[in-house]
Amino acid sequence: EPEVTQTPSHQVTQMGQEVILRCVPISNHLYFYWYRQILGQKVEFLVSFYNNEISEKSEIFDDQFSVERPDGSNFTLKIRSTKLEDSAMYFCASSEFHSGNTIYFGEGSWLTVV
Amino acid sequence: SQQGEEDPQALSIQEGENATMNCSYKTSINNLQWYRQNSGRGLVHLILIRSNEREKHSGRLRVTLDTSKKSSSLLITASRAADTASYFCATDENTGGFKTIFGAGTRLFVKA
Repeated sequence: EPEVTQTPSHQVTQMGQEVILRCVPISNHLYFYWYRQILGQKVEFLVSFYNNEISEKSEIFDDQFSVERPDGSNFTLKIRSTKLEDSAMYFCASSEFHSGNTIYFGEGSWLTVV
Repeated sequence: SQQGEEDPQALSIQEGENATMNCSYKTSINNLQWYRQNSGRGLVHLILIRSNEREKHSGRLRVTLDTSKKSSSLLITASRAADTASYFCATDENTGGFKTIFGAGTRLFVKA
């Protein structure tokens, strides 16, 4: 079964450094998402992306964050100047359509900012 | 912003018993989905119910949706120890944008 893949699975970074989290969505999907989950807390929506542009973003997704689809297969989340509170599991997801369609999640990238 | 909120926050049952988890939301939705998450893992889609549906089954799962009360329930029948996980409801806001919002989840523990 096709799946969403994410790399790295775990990254430790110094506060203030830039981090890029990578995702390969399912190949025929058109909608892409990033979510994050701070340890023990709920899954929070960050951003959705369609047709090479951001569709929706949450209050969390401020100027520190950016997303890009640099080629036909990858979807990246960049976090500039990481803060301690950015430590979380970041999930990439994709769906073929949006409304009424299953969203498939990757296994996540665990980011630790020290 | 709209959120699905589950209750109870945590549920502990014996293997073989049924587990019922509830979800409430605030605004109109296109559909509601239930996901499962094993500790430290990704989210696995369980079932989707559309706003014009009232009940849906999938194996040991039964989901109901009451749009008048803005609530949904997930019933797992004949639970197994392997069902131990967190369960989240997720709703698509009916705004024309692409935004699926997750609730806080119910942590289910099934004792063997």
